[in-house]
Amino acid sequence: AQKVTQAQTEISVVEKEDVTLDCVYETRDTTYYLFWYKQPPSGELVFLIRRNSFDEQNEISGRYSWNFQKSTSSFNFTITASQVVDSAVYFCALTPMNTGFQKLVFGTGTRLLVSP
Amino acid sequence: GAGVSQTPSNKVTEKGKYVELRCDPISGHTALYWYRQSLGQGPEFLIYFQGTGAADDSGLPNDRFFAVRPEGSVSTLKIQRTERGDSAVYLCASSLNGGYANTGELFFGEGSRLTVL
Repeated sequence: AQKVTQAQTEISVVEKEDVTLDCVYETRDTTYYLFWYKQPPSGELVFLIRRNSFDEQNEISGRYSWNFQKSTSSFNFTITASQVVDSAVYFCALTPMNTGFQKLVFGTGTRLLVSP
Repeated sequence: GAGVSQTPSNKVTEKGKYVELRCDPISGHTALYWYRQSLGQGPEFLIYFQGTGAADDSGLPNDRFFAVRPEGSVSTLKIQRTERGDSAVYLCASSLNGGYANTGELFFGEGSRLTVL
């Protein structure tokens, strides 16, 4: 069975602060994918990133960066110089590779509030 | 349309009634998913279609839930004898194919909010 834990229910920051959203996962599968999705108030989930379990390289995309550490089963997400438009609920998710499709297991999400 | 379209956006019904929720995926996407999101929770997988067939329906909570995709594009999620516990946002997503050949991105609709009174 898989499980994704996002212990931070809600985080409030002021614009331009850096913020890290934590994600810890559990799986017995040896190969899997990890994802981050953003859910703005409109409700649709927006894909941010996918990482596979055998690639632990950290990734940076603009103000976003991701730190994948297999040793601690964590896949944390950092937003640098946060902006009001970053306000949303962020979900971490996991799917085993052997299903052949995206049977995503999501965490409960972290609500990020960025105030001006 | 350009994105995944779901109708209705809001549905209020009474306990025991029958409900249909529709999903129109992105044109050309062969894979279609239904997820359910209860208040304050992450989405939970319900069913996955590859083309017209349901390749995995292991997430459907019970036999009151059923989904079809007869022509391989539009899908309908059907809920019989609705219960208050069925209240949630039902999200549909599509992708170009079911595997991981591309970025693995699922494109989600804005969801259908179902309220059972």
